[in-house]
Amino acid sequence: EVQLQQSGAELVRPGTSVKLSCKVSGDTITAYYMHFVKQRPGQGLEWIGRIDPEDDSTKYAEKFKNKATLTADTSSNTAYLKLSSLTSEDTATYFCTTEGNNYAFDYWGQGVMVTVSS
Amino acid sequence: DIQMTQTPSSMPASLGERVTISCRASQGISNYLNWYQQKPDGTIKPLIYYTSNLQSGVPSRFSGSGSGTDYSLTISSLEPEDFAMYYCQQYDSSPWTFGGGTKLELK
Repeated sequence: EVQLQQSGAELVRPGTSVKLSCKVSGDTITAYYMHFVKQRPGQGLEWIGRIDPEDDSTKYAEKFKNKATLTADTSSNTAYLKLSSLTSEDTATYFCTTEGNNYAFDYWGQGVMVTVSS
Repeated sequence: DIQMTQTPSSMPASLGERVTISCRASQGISNYLNWYQQKPDGTIKPLIYYTSNLQSGVPSRFSGSGSGTDYSLTISSLEPEDFAMYYCQQYDSSPWTFGGGTKLELK
């Protein structure tokens, strides 16, 4: 069974950066596009972008192009989301998810809460 | 960007009731529409892909339909574990976008 294990909650200062990890087990990460989704407290889901771990190609939602950076390490089967120049607007839960052959988000991480506060 | 509008935003319902959640796209999305369930603990589960196909392990009381800009998720007879948030998501064009969500609550 495929499982996605995300790193722990983060409390970070405004203006800094944070790097979140998402480790895939039960399959090789290169079998999937890896996506990241943002959910602000009490709000809906917002797509950030995706990476193809096979060739490191990325696609981002326009509003996250200067905010998020997606990378992947095939040796550790892990995808990463780096968020930069953090503000209170970045306080949210971030999910990683895999895109399956049916173009749906088949497997989800548990989510990681990022709190931006001084 | 394609805007996805879900209605209603919340829905009180009873056990055993049949409910339908609607999702409207701001332009045609050629059936490229998925549905997800989010539980209060934050866990997200895929339910339906490509408008009407059940994901593996999803009970048959869930069904999806639609075309063009209008889509729906129906639960034929509510079970206790169905009270959760539901989201539609289009993948016709990037950026992939989600509906605002529907909270299914126990009446």
